[in-house]
Amino acid sequence: GAVVSQHPSWVICKSGTSVKIECRSLDFQATTMFWYRQFPKQSLMLMATSNEGSKATYEQGVEKDKFLINHASLTLSTLTVTSAHPEDSSFYICSARPGQVRTPLHFGNGTRLTVT
Amino acid sequence: AQTVTQSQPEMSVQEAETVTLSCTYDTSESDYYLFWYKQPPSRQMILVIRQEAYKQQNATENRFSVNFQKAAKSFSLKISDSQLGDAAMYFCAYRGLTSGTYKYIFGTGTRLKVLA
Repeated sequence: GAVVSQHPSWVICKSGTSVKIECRSLDFQATTMFWYRQFPKQSLMLMATSNEGSKATYEQGVEKDKFLINHASLTLSTLTVTSAHPEDSSFYICSARPGQVRTPLHFGNGTRLTVT
Repeated sequence: AQTVTQSQPEMSVQEAETVTLSCTYDTSESDYYLFWYKQPPSRQMILVIRQEAYKQQNATENRFSVNFQKAAKSFSLKISDSQLGDAAMYFCAYRGLTSGTYKYIFGTGTRLKVLA
């Protein structure tokens, strides 16, 4: 149980275009989802907390207009990288937590974004 | 602010031997969780073990156990009878339960190599 599905797993786009990444909780409802970014050989850096039915909470230094987050339902959050540039190339991972706050996070498989 | 430190960028262990990965953290909160996550080459984040701060007993999960020293703010992971499949990046993570944000804070990771 507690499966988080992320799509696509790999995407290449041209500079200036936008890319949408989906994160779905398959067998549980998630009022909160988290989006992380991971550079090669580095740790996970929290980008934003996605809240169902309300605005996302962004971490300091993360551009809200660059990384649009929408959490329209209890099982789906999307991250849209707008006007992507090569420096946005990275590995993006979403996570969600079923039920109570004391339950651990479950992670999606991640999305490798390459901007050419 | 809470911090998590993993001082070992890379560790090696012979197959069937035991290895210990170190993690220290800093917090002023009294109630929190600590986790060890494994990230194999597939980059899927897998929960290995977790420890609740209010529990004095060290958590164990089969070949994985922790040494939780709350006063010293230390949380090491011991892997017994190491297997080739244990090779991965290991991240120590902290999650506070009193601040209201419930965000995870990850260490920089330790790459574990298992030698046949």
